[in-house]
Amino acid sequence: AQTVTQSQPEMSVQEAETVTLSCTYDTSESDYYLFWYKQPPSRQMILVIRQEAYKQQNATENRFSVNFQKAAKSFSLKISDSQLGDAAMYFCAYRSAWKSSGDKLTFGTGTRLAVRP
Amino acid sequence: DGGITQSPKYLFRKEGQNVTLSCEQNLNHDAMYWYRQDPGQGLRLIYYSQIVNDFQKGDIAEGYSVSREKKESFPLTVTSAQKNPTAFYLCASSPPGQPYNEQFFGPGTRLTVL
Repeated sequence: AQTVTQSQPEMSVQEAETVTLSCTYDTSESDYYLFWYKQPPSRQMILVIRQEAYKQQNATENRFSVNFQKAAKSFSLKISDSQLGDAAMYFCAYRSAWKSSGDKLTFGTGTRLAVRP
Repeated sequence: DGGITQSPKYLFRKEGQNVTLSCEQNLNHDAMYWYRQDPGQGLRLIYYSQIVNDFQKGDIAEGYSVSREKKESFPLTVTSAQKNPTAFYLCASSPPGQPYNEQFFGPGTRLTVL
């Protein structure tokens, strides 16, 4: 079974600065997908960014980018120019590429990000 | 507007009672999921359904039941057999095709057992 570990329960960043959230995962599969979801105080889950394991190029979405290290099984999220609206819980998630797995997401325990004005 | 609706937003239950949480989507998605969220534990999968009239157990299915009679609806029943049902419950759906597709989440239901 796959596991996802987020070792930072809480992080804090100054507005306009850059912060990196860590995520590691354990799998024996070679093909999979990784996601970062954001959960603001409203508790609505929002997709931030996704990465396909077979793509070496790191995904980027505006101020959000990832550092995907497949050999190290690491998938960190970098938030540049942090804004007050970035304050939320961030979850890293894993999804197998095998259809037999049922397209299930396996989540980490989350990192709560605070943004200081 | 397309999306996922969950009702009610807050639900209170007495011990020993069954309760059903509603999840409806008008996104024409084939797959639907139920997750449970507890503090410090992230989201855990309860049940999922990839097609109408079919569903599979997730990691923590004990004490829960589901049905999938319509594509749009995937209700979750929390039975009296669930030892610690107080939690935040999230429903999600995803379109057919590539697993690269994201899961779309509803706003959630907060269940409290009194």
